[in-house]
Amino acid sequence: ETGVTQTPRHLVMGMTNKKSLKCEQHLGHNAMYWYKQSAKKPLELMFVYSLEERVENNSVPSRFSPECPNSSHLFLHLHTLQPEDSALYLCASSQGYGYQETQYFGPGTRLLVL
Amino acid sequence: KNEVEQSPQNLTAQEGEFITINCSYSVGISALHWLQQHPGGGIVSLFMLSSGKKKHGRLIATINIQEKHSSLHITASHPRDSAVYICAVPHFGNEKLTFGTGTRLTIIP
Repeated sequence: ETGVTQTPRHLVMGMTNKKSLKCEQHLGHNAMYWYKQSAKKPLELMFVYSLEERVENNSVPSRFSPECPNSSHLFLHLHTLQPEDSALYLCASSQGYGYQETQYFGPGTRLLVL
Repeated sequence: KNEVEQSPQNLTAQEGEFITINCSYSVGISALHWLQQHPGGGIVSLFMLSSGKKKHGRLIATINIQEKHSSLHITASHPRDSAVYICAVPHFGNEKLTFGTGTRLTIIP
C-alpha cells in the first residue's frame, strides 16, 4: 500500500457514457497527478495539481476534465471517450511539486472504451 | 525520438544472476528517477539520484551526468524482482518528468 487509492480499479464504458475516476491520498501531500499509460507507450502526464491549483495541463483533449476539490482528492471526469482512450490511468501524489519529488502512485484504473 | 531511451526492452535471466538495465537521455538534466512497475500496474519509486551511486538492499543505481547515462543493477536476482523498470528525467527548466518505455525483467527460478 502506497497511501494512494484509486476507484474503480476497472471500468468499461461506451463512447456516449459519462464516468469519473477517483483518487485519494492519505499522505498529507500537496501535489497530485493524473497519468495515462497506453500499451507499449511511456507514461504520459495529463494533469498536475499543486495546492489545489492546476499547474500542468499537457494538451489533453477536453473529453478529460480534472477536478481537485481539496488536497486529498482528485477526480478525472470522462465523457464521450474514444476507443483509443482505453488505457491504464494512474494517479500519484508528492509532498510538493518539483522534479526532485518522489511520487507515490495508486494502483491505477484500467479503462476500456467500447 | 524519445528523449529517454532504455535498454534492453526485455530481459530474461535466471535466479541469482546480476542484472543491469540502462537508461540514456538526450537533454541535460540534474536528476533522474528509477521506478518499478509490477504486473497489475502499481508503480513504486526506487531511487532519485543526481550524481554518483545509490544503494538500497540488492538494488544499485548509478548516474553519469556528463555521459547522460544511468544504470540500475540488481544483485542476486529473485523471481519477485520480475517487473517493468522505468527511468524518468525532468524536462530542462521544467518540473515535468519524461518517462522511458521501460525494461521488462523476468527472473526465472
